[in-house]
Amino acid sequence: SAVISQKPSRDICQRGTSLTIQCQVDSQVTMMFWYRQQPGQSLTLIATANQGSEATYESGFVIDKFPISRPNLTFSTLTVSNMSPEDSSIYLCSVETGGYTDTQYFGPGTRLTVL
Amino acid sequence: DAKTTQPPSMDCAEGRAANLPCNHSTISGNEYVYWYRQIHSQGPQYIIHGLKNNETNEMASLIITEDRKSSTLILPHATLRDTAVYYCIVRDGYSGGSNYKLTFGKGTLLTVNP
Repeated sequence: SAVISQKPSRDICQRGTSLTIQCQVDSQVTMMFWYRQQPGQSLTLIATANQGSEATYESGFVIDKFPISRPNLTFSTLTVSNMSPEDSSIYLCSVETGGYTDTQYFGPGTRLTVL
Repeated sequence: DAKTTQPPSMDCAEGRAANLPCNHSTISGNEYVYWYRQIHSQGPQYIIHGLKNNETNEMASLIITEDRKSSTLILPHATLRDTAVYYCIVRDGYSGGSNYKLTFGKGTLLTVNP
């Protein structure tokens, strides 16, 4: 398994501002993922972030709104840009670890409220 | 869209076994069945996964039917702390596969009652 931490754990932001969420893993991993969970909804994948390459975004998510960095094998950031109240969600990072099969492990999440 | 079907909710008495069903009739030969749970907006917690054989770990058992079209997650002695949304997901077992992403459906809300 992997131990994953996220910062901040929660934040309240004003519309029009941006917030950068950090994800730190205790071991080197190839694949990292960012998810969004809107209130009362299930998780939706935003993008896949592999070290050394550009993030791959899912349909409905764009780089200008959710820029992602992946500078090394243990760290990634997700920025939520030009926020509106509709961006109020829990943002989660996850990592893929190997073994006899790959398994994803999730961080604790960042609860974002946009006023 | 999620490739699995789960009941929206289930109840279980504390100390009893909780049996959570999942239908995945369109599962392909190289796809595994993964189970996660999410306790009150925390990050999802990995529970167990399997391909075709039954699997058991310290948290749960996974029973997969012979035709692989359905499975059951068993929590042998449910406690109040097992109250959570349980997600059944099918995906490739390796990140290099064509379906390696986790696609979350609505899951089953398991409520364990005292």
